[in-house]
Amino acid sequence: NFMLTQPHSVSGSPGETVAISCTRSSGNIDTRYVQWYQQRPGSAPTNVIYEDNQRPSGVPDRFAGSIDSSSNSASLIISGLKTEDEADYYCQSYDDNNLWVFGGGTKLTVL
Amino acid sequence: EVQLVESGGGLVQPGRSLRLSCAGAGFTFGDYTMHWVRQVPGKGLEWVSSISWNSFTIAYADSVRGRFTISRDNAKNSLYLEMNSLRTEDTAFYYCGKVGTYFANYLDSWGQGTLVTVSS
Repeated sequence: NFMLTQPHSVSGSPGETVAISCTRSSGNIDTRYVQWYQQRPGSAPTNVIYEDNQRPSGVPDRFAGSIDSSSNSASLIISGLKTEDEADYYCQSYDDNNLWVFGGGTKLTVL
Repeated sequence: EVQLVESGGGLVQPGRSLRLSCAGAGFTFGDYTMHWVRQVPGKGLEWVSSISWNSFTIAYADSVRGRFTISRDNAKNSLYLEMNSLRTEDTAFYYCGKVGTYFANYLDSWGQGTLVTVSS
């Protein structure tokens, strides 16, 4: 099966833009959708991006998702950083047999 | 409002069994594929298992295949995870989740989790 690799941590100041990458180890990133989840300390995860770039209702448009076939990676871009965005973020995708894979998670610190 | 409530977690010895339950409310439970995802405290998310709306399609992570069994009872709006031959590395919070749409491969709702501790 494949793996999804994320940076352990990223940081930014309020108002800045940060990007969190998610690189697929084998198979093309654009053959199966990528999702992103936010998890604040002590809480269950919540979905912030589904199907590569779709935003659930209630998620601000400061959150965006993209796919880059050249690097076989997906990215979560958060613009206009707010202190409330500080959390762990996980990407997720699946294989041809619908076996799911999560990335290792990225801790976002808002300085 | 969608609600998912897990139960059944606790302390269990290695090699023993435990059954987790997940009660769904606020949506037509029988219309959606359901998943179990676990998380070792302080670590990342790990997908465990999934079951289609009609129980026809079931999948497991390699780490639990042959030891865990997922099932559901749509009449009771309930999802289950039977865990046998438990190992210390199965210690984790276990979350149930509902997919976003009929064919979706993402979770739009999660329960609050139930903690399973495998220790002698």
